[in-house]
Amino acid sequence: KAGVTQTPRYLIKTRGQQVTLSCSPISGHRSVSWYQQTPGQGLQFLFEYFSETQRNKGNFPGRFSGRQFSNSRSEMNVSTLELGDSALYLCASSQGFEETQYFGPGTRLLVL
Amino acid sequence: AQSVTQLGSHVSVSEGALVLLRCNYSSSVPPYLFWYVQYPNQGLQLLLKYTSAATLVKGINGFEAEFKKSETSFHLTKPSAHMSDAAQNFCAVSSGANSKLTFGKGITLSVRP
Repeated sequence: KAGVTQTPRYLIKTRGQQVTLSCSPISGHRSVSWYQQTPGQGLQFLFEYFSETQRNKGNFPGRFSGRQFSNSRSEMNVSTLELGDSALYLCASSQGFEETQYFGPGTRLLVL
Repeated sequence: AQSVTQLGSHVSVSEGALVLLRCNYSSSVPPYLFWYVQYPNQGLQLLLKYTSAATLVKGINGFEAEFKKSETSFHLTKPSAHMSDAAQNFCAVSSGANSKLTFGKGITLSVRP
């Protein structure tokens, strides 16, 4: 079975721009979660989607948004990028709550 | 609210020596506990998880962890370190009913030849 895939793997943007990251979960998984990883703050939960509905949200500003499609693929969008948004963005999928989350390789975003 | 404390940011051991990475958690509900490993430029890989079954959990690559409720701990051990074990290791907690994982700061494991 193919693992979680994330595209693109690397991205460079400038302040003020917006960016969209994509995540394809493991086949059959209906839950997708997003995490931000930075050297200073570590791994922080952004949000979780299950069957196209946002089920949980972390403490991030409204510039961070996401959605999930009927095939369980998910996208996250960051508008009006700031330097502090530079991070590794990780996507994880699971069959549902109480199930193990499997992580993708991440998208490394650099904001200049 | 849930939280994880991983004391120390770096552990260095010799090849063949015991590995012990400490993790303490705080949770208002029975926790689900996880150890994930991250190699450079990669995502997170699950080492093992505790979900209220056996308190001693065996994972991949020879790692195991013991859930101790009285100590609110879930320390990761491996009897004999291998060079390939060098990586960053994260302890995480969830409530089970909520998939959100709360991670510790992570511990970098170095293995000396």
